[in-house]
Amino acid sequence: EVQLVETGGGLIQPGGSLRLSCAASGFTVSSNYMTWVRQAPGEGLEWVSAIYSGGSTYYADSVKGRFTISRDNSKDTLYLQMNSLRADDTAVYYCARDRGSGSYYPYWGQGTLVTVSS
Amino acid sequence: DIQMTQSPATLSASVGDRVTIACRASQSISSWLAWYQQKPGKAPKLLIYKASSLESGVPSRFSGSGSGTEFTLTISSLQPDDFATYYCQQYNSYWTFGQGTKVEIK
Repeated sequence: EVQLVETGGGLIQPGGSLRLSCAASGFTVSSNYMTWVRQAPGEGLEWVSAIYSGGSTYYADSVKGRFTISRDNSKDTLYLQMNSLRADDTAVYYCARDRGSGSYYPYWGQGTLVTVSS
Repeated sequence: DIQMTQSPATLSASVGDRVTIACRASQSISSWLAWYQQKPGKAPKLLIYKASSLESGVPSRFSGSGSGTEFTLTISSLQPDDFATYYCQQYNSYWTFGQGTKVEIK
């Protein structure tokens, strides 16, 4: 069974850094396309970043240069390093796995809340 | 960037109603479109992919149609469990979600 569990969220001051983790089970992270999607309070879904099985990475313009997606193949874990955090980065962050070739997302974690506030 | 626009933003309906939600892409995305259902405090759930393919385990009252720039999600007979927010998502070029349509009880 595919499972995704996000951790690492919390309260952080503007300008700070945080690293989110997404532990996967039931499949191999390195063989799949993985992504981060966020949802600000009361708002819609926003794609944030993706990493392909070959290692290519992609970012939304809103986080480019500040966020870095990576994975640890030995731990089957996906990461999102978030630097220079701003108030508008406040959101629930979900990791998700697609069905292949950068498509849609049948598998989601439960999400972790990041709050950027002083 | 491809923009996705859903309508309406909110829809009031009763159990048993036929419900249709529209999604428009700012440029052609062929059939590279998915629909999700989200309930408060929960992760989105995939309903439809490739515009009209029903995800395994999803009730057959859900259906999707369209291609190019115009798409629809239809619920043939609304059930109590269907009151939720629905999102379309394009995956033709990167990934973009619509702003969501909330289906509420009339």
